[in-house]
Amino acid sequence: AQKVTQAQTEISVVEKEDVTLDCVYETRDTTYYLFWYKQPPSGELVFLIRRNSFDEQNEISGRYSWNFQKSTSSFNFTITASQVVDSAVYFCALSEARNTDKLIFGTGTRLQVFP
Amino acid sequence: NAGVTQTPKFRVLKTGQSMTLLCAQDMNHEYMYWYRQDPGMGLRLIHYSVGEGTTAKGEVPDGYNVSRLKKQNFLLGLESAAPSQTSVYFCASSDRAGSSRFVQFFGPGTRLTVL
Repeated sequence: AQKVTQAQTEISVVEKEDVTLDCVYETRDTTYYLFWYKQPPSGELVFLIRRNSFDEQNEISGRYSWNFQKSTSSFNFTITASQVVDSAVYFCALSEARNTDKLIFGTGTRLQVFP
Repeated sequence: NAGVTQTPKFRVLKTGQSMTLLCAQDMNHEYMYWYRQDPGMGLRLIHYSVGEGTTAKGEVPDGYNVSRLKKQNFLLGLESAAPSQTSVYFCASSDRAGSSRFVQFFGPGTRLTVL
């Protein structure tokens, strides 16, 4: 069965600190896709990244970086030099190639960045 | 492009009333989804559609019906609302082709309260 675990319910940091949001997943498939979404206080869900299981290269986009490690079934998200605008709930999600219609979400991590 | 839009944004119902939530997308996506978001539970899939005229059950389908008469629209109906259906409802769409394949793009959400 597929499952996504985000063990950190809430994280608080002070602006300019680095912060890592953890995501651990379970799947029996060898081909799958991992996603991160951001949900700011306004409520919409914003797509951040998609990673497929064959691409273990880490990715960096500005202050955001993602560390995908198949050996530990983790897809962690790091924000460098956090800003108040980064305050949001962040969701990690998984879909398997044999059933890409089903996107399984973790329960989310609420990040609060204080000035 | 408006992306994914949802109507209405807010609604208050009394127990037993019915209503329909409308989702529209202008990205020509084949796949559309309805989720509900409840505190501490992430997003859970209610129903989805893999093309015009087709629908399928998700994780929590009971108490809801859907229809996909046109490719761009996906309707979610509550026949007899119950307080347990108080939630935020999100619509999403995706496709299997292109650089954004398998990425689900979300609407702004509908906040529904059932008294």
